[in-house]
This record gives sequence, structure tokens and C-alpha cells, in this order.
Amino acid sequence: AQSVTQLGSHVSVSEGALVLLRCNYSSSVPPYLFWYVQYPNQGLQLLLKYTTGATLVKGINGFEAEFKKSETSFHLTKPSAHMSDAAEYFCAVISGNFNKFYFGSGTKLNVKP
Amino acid sequence: DTAVSQTPKYLVTQMGNDKSIKCEQNLGHDTMYWYKQDSKKFLKIMFSYNNKELIINETVPNRFSPKSPDKAHLNLHINSLELGDSAVYFCASSRGLAGDGGENIQYFGAGTRLSVL
Repeated sequence: AQSVTQLGSHVSVSEGALVLLRCNYSSSVPPYLFWYVQYPNQGLQLLLKYTTGATLVKGINGFEAEFKKSETSFHLTKPSAHMSDAAEYFCAVISGNFNKFYFGSGTKLNVKP
Repeated sequence: DTAVSQTPKYLVTQMGNDKSIKCEQNLGHDTMYWYKQDSKKFLKIMFSYNNKELIINETVPNRFSPKSPDKAHLNLHINSLELGDSAVYFCASSRGLAGDGGENIQYFGAGTRLSVL
């Protein structure tokens, strides 16, 4: 079975500081991994994804994530937080031929001025 | 143009009522989904249709019945609403199936906030 764990339901950083949102997954086969962002009262928007190839993937708004198979992780980072980054972030995994996304429980990012 | 649109955006109703939520996508995608997001923001898939055929039906009460009249629409009908049905329901679509490599980006609607009183 597949599952996604996001450590920290709330993360607070100062503007300009490093953003690190953690995601670990369990999967018996190579996964496809995603990060989505949800702004208040909006749907989810894709930030970035990993399917194959380079393990460091870059997304929109300066975010990037690195797939580390040995650690079964796909942590999301951004070097310098901006106030507009305040939102809920969801990690998701698809594994194998299953036509299902498994979402983590989300991490709410707060950016302090 | 909104890619995935859901109506209504807000729905407040009494227990026991029957209600429908509509979803339309103008992306030409073959696959559509319904998700439920509970008060703790946990997202769980409910149903998935590919070319109007049901391919995922998670453990959802049979009071919930999806209907896909064509590839661009996936509506959700809920009978005998209960308090526990209160949540935000998201519709999504993707070009192919979720397991199809690069075809699996899901595009989400803005959500329907259902409140059952």
C-alpha cells in the first residue's frame, strides 16, 4: 500500500528565510511524486512533479524538491520565503499502475514579515 | 476560461436532503475525479472516471452517486445528507490515467464547500 507522511502540520518561517517542507512516502515500486499548493478558498495547483530522470526537480515560484530513494523522501524547499508563499502544501504519490493519488495531510506554511 | 469549474461554490442544506454538485472541464481530458477534503484538510479520493467509465470507487457510502454524461462532465449526487458529509469536495481532471507517466497531472477545481445542518 502507498502512503504519504508530511511531518509538521504547521511550519512558520520569516520572510527571506529557507522553506523546508518534509514529505516521506512508502511505496513498493518506484513512485511518481508531486507537490501541490492550495491557497485559501482555492483548488490545488501543481507546484512540481517527479516521474523519472533527474532527481532534483524545479517547480513554479522558485520551489524545488529532491527525490531521495534511499530516504524515501521528497522534501520541498525554497531558498527565500515570500509572503505570497503562505498557503497549504500537499505532497502526493502515485505508485505503479494504480489510478490513484495518495495525498499527505498537508502542511500549512506561515510566512512572518 | 476556468479549466475545471464546479458549481455551486457553497452549499448549505439540512440533514436528509438530496443535493448535487456539478463539475465541468474544458481541457479535453479523459479522466475526472472527485475528492473529499475534511476539516483537517485531509484529501481522499472518492471516484474516478475515464472516458465516462467508472474506474475508481473508494469505500464511499452508496448515498454518493457520480454521473458522467460525457467526458467533460462528472457530477456528484448525494442522497440523504448527513452531518458527516460536511466537507469541501474537489473535482479534478487529468489527460490520462494517474499511472501514465507524464499524463498524470491533475487539475483541480476551486472546490464546493458543503455544510450540512
